[in-house]
Amino acid sequence: RKEVEQDPGPFNVPEGATVAFNCTYSNSASQSFFWYRQDCRKEPKLLMSVYSSGNEDGRFTAQLNRASQYISLLIRDSKLSDSATYLCVVVSGGYQKVTFGIGTKLQVIP
Amino acid sequence: NAGVTQTPKFRVLKTGQSMTLLCAQDMNHEYMYWYRQDPGMGLRLIHYSVGEGTTAKGEVPDGYNVSRLKKQNFLLGLESAAPSQTSVYFCASSSYRDLDINEQFFGPGTRLTVL
Repeated sequence: RKEVEQDPGPFNVPEGATVAFNCTYSNSASQSFFWYRQDCRKEPKLLMSVYSSGNEDGRFTAQLNRASQYISLLIRDSKLSDSATYLCVVVSGGYQKVTFGIGTKLQVIP
Repeated sequence: NAGVTQTPKFRVLKTGQSMTLLCAQDMNHEYMYWYRQDPGMGLRLIHYSVGEGTTAKGEVPDGYNVSRLKKQNFLLGLESAAPSQTSVYFCASSSYRDLDINEQFFGPGTRLTVL
């Protein structure tokens, strides 16, 4: 089993739709979780951290489920500019081990 | 601030040739990383450094060497390039003060092709 698993997609959704991605992780001792965004042929950039209590940033909501070992990202009212690949990141081993998922590709369609 | 810069942006090598990729950051970050990104594989950590003069192996270190002689620079070397090293290489840096945030700042990447 991979340490961090994501559905690579692509997820094709119309503008204005709500879309959700999940990411599962295998190490129950993992301590920190993040979502990064990567545009085509560009570098990844931090989108948001994922806290146990859940957190929201505008149209984006991230949640952590430690019991089932997954994190999720919800995007409401999708915009064309949301089209990108979303990378799940899991940190463990005292911040020494940072594992990226393969990413989920989102395409928002007019 | 330039952030994280990488040199070169593109390179084509023949099998067996050597080269060095340079990463520079102007944010005074302690941690620096080298990743490679391949289709269907995600970003994989090659080597990392937690401070000037220190380096450590990541997930896929074979065939690569690194050096961190200055805090702002992290060099990745390929001594004898192989076609399996064809990839996009990203350098990143982060501050130890922001471990809980773990915001890694990435460079624009180097696209390397080994023929």
